[in-house]
Amino acid sequence: DGGITQSPKYLFRKEGQNVTLSCEQNLNHDAMYWYRQDPGQGLRLIYYSQIVNDFQKGDIAEGYSVSREKKESFPLTVTSAQKNPTAFYLCASSIVGGVSYNEQFFGPGTRLTVL
Amino acid sequence: QQQVKQSPQSLIVQKGGISIINCAYENTAFDYFPWYQQFPGKGPALLIAIRPDVSEKKEGRFTISFNKSAKQFSLHIMDSQPGDSATYFCAASTQGSIKAAGNKLTFGGGTRVLVKP
Repeated sequence: DGGITQSPKYLFRKEGQNVTLSCEQNLNHDAMYWYRQDPGQGLRLIYYSQIVNDFQKGDIAEGYSVSREKKESFPLTVTSAQKNPTAFYLCASSIVGGVSYNEQFFGPGTRLTVL
Repeated sequence: QQQVKQSPQSLIVQKGGISIINCAYENTAFDYFPWYQQFPGKGPALLIAIRPDVSEKKEGRFTISFNKSAKQFSLHIMDSQPGDSATYFCAASTQGSIKAAGNKLTFGGGTRVLVKP
């Protein structure tokens, strides 16, 4: 089945530690995205990538880093510089270009809790 | 600055009733307006989307109404069912400049809908 997988589903981290969230897709999509979701709030864009080895900051990139070494993978690192990292993190992907409006497909999410 | 404002934050409706969620946007460059449905602990999934060249789009029990001059759009869920209980997000993007904008979506704050049996 084609889709997006995120792991782990739940993640606990101590303050001051970096942690990496995994996102893999087998949809052959060029673009991938990371969003953060807080209770009662909408999704906010952290980083996005349209092509391998290239990525851009979203609206709330401070304290986060990403890499895009493979088309299928877009891991997100939450660094110790992120002041309030406890949240639900969602990865998404889409095609790029063309004449249609490009739907973003979301993974199941990773819930990160900082202890 | 919140570019897409969504209301209400929560909504309770009886089974068979109509759920109405409203969104307003500020950026006139937006040209794609999707609605996403999210169940607890899951990622959002596209429900229905509209472009500004039409005023209404219907898919089954779900209808989007779009008012370009007022910069508003809304989701109507007809004959609401308990299985529709979820959080709904409106969003907007500038798909026309996809290479520059990277297909970025700006989301509203979400509406939690509860359909009582």
